[in-house]
Amino acid sequence: DAGVTQSPTHLIKTRGQQVTLRCSPKSGHDTVSWYQQALGQGPQFIFQYYEEEERQRGNFPDRFSGHQFPNYSSELNVNALLLGDSALYLCASSIAGGRETQYFGPGTRLLVL
Amino acid sequence: AQKITQTQPGMFVQEKEAVTLDCTYDTSDQSYGLFWYKQPSSGEMIFLIYQGSYDEQNATEGRYSLNFQKARKSANLVISASQLGDSAMYFCAMRESISSGSARQLTFGSGTQLTVLP
Repeated sequence: DAGVTQSPTHLIKTRGQQVTLRCSPKSGHDTVSWYQQALGQGPQFIFQYYEEEERQRGNFPDRFSGHQFPNYSSELNVNALLLGDSALYLCASSIAGGRETQYFGPGTRLLVL
Repeated sequence: AQKITQTQPGMFVQEKEAVTLDCTYDTSDQSYGLFWYKQPSSGEMIFLIYQGSYDEQNATEGRYSLNFQKARKSANLVISASQLGDSAMYFCAMRESISSGSARQLTFGSGTQLTVLP
């Protein structure tokens, strides 16, 4: 049973560029959440997708956008990258309803120069 | 106010001994869930244990147990018989409004770095 997968594992970009991160949920999961984890901090919620729609959003600017596909996989897009966007980006999947335990992928480490 | 507070930035424990990692939370909801995750240096967050606010018994999962004290709003993680592989960052997290489903996100604490000594 494959867990949550994310690609790429590492990425280096320069300020002003755009980046797309990808996530495939655990088998049987229909909900995908994205988190940003800066060095030395706990993860911060970006948004959650369910049934191909953004269901909830955290306190992140519109530069952060996402998409969920019919197969439940998801993308996180960040436009106009800033140095402060350097972080570990974690994707988590869950099953809608009940406790909705979130299972995380290995993350994508983004460095903005 | 912080929703999740982990006051121990770092903890050391001898191999085979038990260790308690502290977590206090702040919510006005009656229905919420508390989660503990382990994050090794590789970065992946590994789910360990869950406690629902209405669960009458403390949760246990193998060597992990959760000491849930609702009136004190604390949800401490107890790891018994520590192993070298337990060395990692541990995060406490909360999801509010579980019964209404209105809040989807996990709110995390700042974490505790646990080091198991041989």
